[in-house]
Amino acid sequence: AQSVTQPDIHITVSEGASLELRCNYSYGATPYLFWYVQSPGQGLQLLLKYFSGDTLVQGIKGFEAEFKRSQSSFNLRKPSVHWSDAAEYFCAVARMDSSYKLIFGSGTRLLVRP
Amino acid sequence: DVKVTQSSRYLVKRTGEKVFLECVQDMDHENMFWYRQDPGLGLRLIYFSYDVKMKEKGDIPEGYSVSREKKERFSLILESASTNQTSMYLCASPPLTSVSTDTQYFGPGTRLTVL
Repeated sequence: AQSVTQPDIHITVSEGASLELRCNYSYGATPYLFWYVQSPGQGLQLLLKYFSGDTLVQGIKGFEAEFKRSQSSFNLRKPSVHWSDAAEYFCAVARMDSSYKLIFGSGTRLLVRP
Repeated sequence: DVKVTQSSRYLVKRTGEKVFLECVQDMDHENMFWYRQDPGLGLRLIYFSYDVKMKEKGDIPEGYSVSREKKERFSLILESASTNQTSMYLCASPPLTSVSTDTQYFGPGTRLTVL
C-alpha cells in the first residue's frame, strides 16, 4: 500500500540555520510528490511539487526538495530559516488510482529559535 | 483572492448532536474533498465528490455523510457527533485534471470539539 513517512514529529532550528525535513514514500512507480505548509490558523499551502525531470525542485519561500528514487525520499530543505517559517510541514504523494487524491504524512512541526 | 472557505473556524458541540460543516469554493471545480487532521496522523480523506449529487467514501467515512446539492458547496455531516470526532476538518478542491498543472486549494479548516 502507498504510504508517506515523516520520521521527525518536531524539529527545532535557530533562525538563520539550515533546515532539512525528511520524507520517505512507498510507491510502485514514479510518484507525484508534494510538500505543503500549514501556518497556525491557516489552511495548507503548496510549497512545491515533483512529477518528473529534474530531481531538484524549487518552491516558494526559498524552499527546495530533492527526489531520490534510490532512497524513496523527497526531503525538503532551506539554506537559512526565518522565524516566519515556524509551521507544520506535510509531505504527500498522489495516489496511483487518482492523481489528485493525496496521501499525507503525519507532519513535522518546525520551531524556530530566535 | 478567496478560493475555498469554510463556514466556521471553531465549533463546540455536544455528543449526539447533528453537526454540519460547510465548504464553498469559487473556482468552479468539480472535485471537492473533506479531510480530517489529527496530531501524528496527518490528513485522512473522509469523503469526496466529483460532481453535484455525486459522492464517494474516502478512507475513514464511518460516522460521516456528505451533501453536494450545488457545485460550489460541499457539506460534511456528523449524524450523531461523538467525542472521537473532535478534530480539525479541512476542505479541499483539487482540479479535475492532473495535479501536475493545477493546484489543489485547501480551506482554513474548522476545529470541532465534541463534548
